[in-house]
Amino acid sequence: GAVVSQHPSRVICKSGTSVKIECRSLDFQATTMFWYRQFPKQSLMLMATSNEGSKATYEQGVEKDKFLINHASLTLSTLTVTSAHPEDSSFYICSARSLAEYNEQFFGPGTRLTVL
Amino acid sequence: SQQGEEDPQALSIQEGENATMNCSYKTSINNLQWYRQNSGRGLVHLILIRSNEREKHSGRLRVTLDTSKKSSSLLITASRAADTASYFCATRYSGGYQKVTFGTGTKLQVIP
Repeated sequence: GAVVSQHPSRVICKSGTSVKIECRSLDFQATTMFWYRQFPKQSLMLMATSNEGSKATYEQGVEKDKFLINHASLTLSTLTVTSAHPEDSSFYICSARSLAEYNEQFFGPGTRLTVL
Repeated sequence: SQQGEEDPQALSIQEGENATMNCSYKTSINNLQWYRQNSGRGLVHLILIRSNEREKHSGRLRVTLDTSKKSSSLLITASRAADTASYFCATRYSGGYQKVTFGTGTKLQVIP
C-alpha cells in the first residue's frame, strides 16, 4: 500500500522556538494532505486540510498563524509550529490522499513534539 | 470537531472472549474505517467499509455499517492480549474536501 513518512519522529524544543514537521508521500502523489493533533489519551483532531499550491483550510479553533502549513509539491507538506509553548506538546499526524489508490487516505507514523 | 462517538470508552475482557465496539456518526459518509493505535504509537489501518456495504470481514475482525442509523460496529473475535490497544472509527464526509474525522475511541484491554 501507499506509504506516508514523517520527519522527525520525535522532537524536543524550548518554549518560544519554532518547529517544522515534514510529511511526505513516498510512492504516490497527493493533491490533498491533512494534519491531525492528538493529545494524550484523546482522539485525533483534524487541524487543517492542505491542497498542493493553495492555502490550507483550518478547522475551527486552530490558529493559522501559529500552525503554518505549506504544501509546496504533490509529495510534501510541512507543518511549522511557531513560537511553541508547552501546551503545544502533542502527537502530530499527517495524512495524504492518493488519487491512484481510489482516492483513499493514508496516515503517517506521527511526530511527537515536546515543548519544554 | 469530532465526527463520531464511540462506545464503550473502555472495555476490559478476558483473552478468548469477543470484543464489540460501536461508532455513531452525524452526517453522510463515503466510507468508514477502523484503526488501532497502541499506546504512544501511530495508527494501524484495520478495515474500510464503504457506504454501500453492510458488512465486511478481515481475519478475526467483522465490521458492520448501518447508514440509516449512522452507526458501525467492530467485532474482534477470540481476542488476544496483543489486541490491547485503542480503537478508533474514522468517517469520511461526503461533501467538501471529504475530510476524514475520528471518533472518540475505545480503549480495549485484553487480560491474558
